[in-house]
Amino acid sequence: QSVLTQPPSVSAAPGQKVTISCSGSRSNIGSNYVSWYQQRPGTTPKLLIYENRKRPSGIRDRFSGSTSGTSATLGITGLQTGDEADYYCGTWDFSLTPVYVFGTGTKVTVL
Amino acid sequence: EGQLVESGGGLVQPGGSLRLSCAASGFSVNWNYMNWVRQVPGKGLEWVSVIRIAGDTHYTDSVKGRFIISRDNSKDTLYLQMNNLRADDTAVYYCTRSMNYHDSSGFETNDAFDIWGLGTMVTVS
Repeated sequence: QSVLTQPPSVSAAPGQKVTISCSGSRSNIGSNYVSWYQQRPGTTPKLLIYENRKRPSGIRDRFSGSTSGTSATLGITGLQTGDEADYYCGTWDFSLTPVYVFGTGTKVTVL
Repeated sequence: EGQLVESGGGLVQPGGSLRLSCAASGFSVNWNYMNWVRQVPGKGLEWVSVIRIAGDTHYTDSVKGRFIISRDNSKDTLYLQMNNLRADDTAVYYCTRSMNYHDSSGFETNDAFDIWGLGTMVTVS
């Protein structure tokens, strides 16, 4: 089953912006909504973005999502030390039977 | 806001079985897609299985024929029966809810995992 491809790591100084890419295919990102999850060290994953670009209640607008074709992007502006975490994209893939696919994960480091 | 609490993890020998439970509070398990997701410590997330609102179930290829997802609506509890366990099943297992909402076009959607349990560790050794 397919996996979505993300860069292993990105980094930036506090206050700066980072973007994380998520590459998939027509059967997953190209056809279904993308979600993004944040997992701080030692904690449970937390939903950051759903329906490609919407934020659940309580998620700051420093986090943004977008899609284009078979790719998705997460943006984090005004980077803070608390943003150091692993970030995963995810979406359904209905090409055969329904399966949910996660990205490979990206470690964000605040320099 | 709902909550999920997993239990049932532990140490099991290869070929053995375990049943994980996930108790939901604040919502009903039969009105949402409910999933199991696992994570090998230090590694990425892997979706394992879903039981959809209609009751149909789906699995990742590596567990097909070995794992069974089910739910007890009266107890608001999700289960994962794991049989013929292998060393590569070793992971933290999370119970998650797919958020049920209407998208921008008004279609009912069940995708993003909005509630996660704390996880239960399964070690096959």
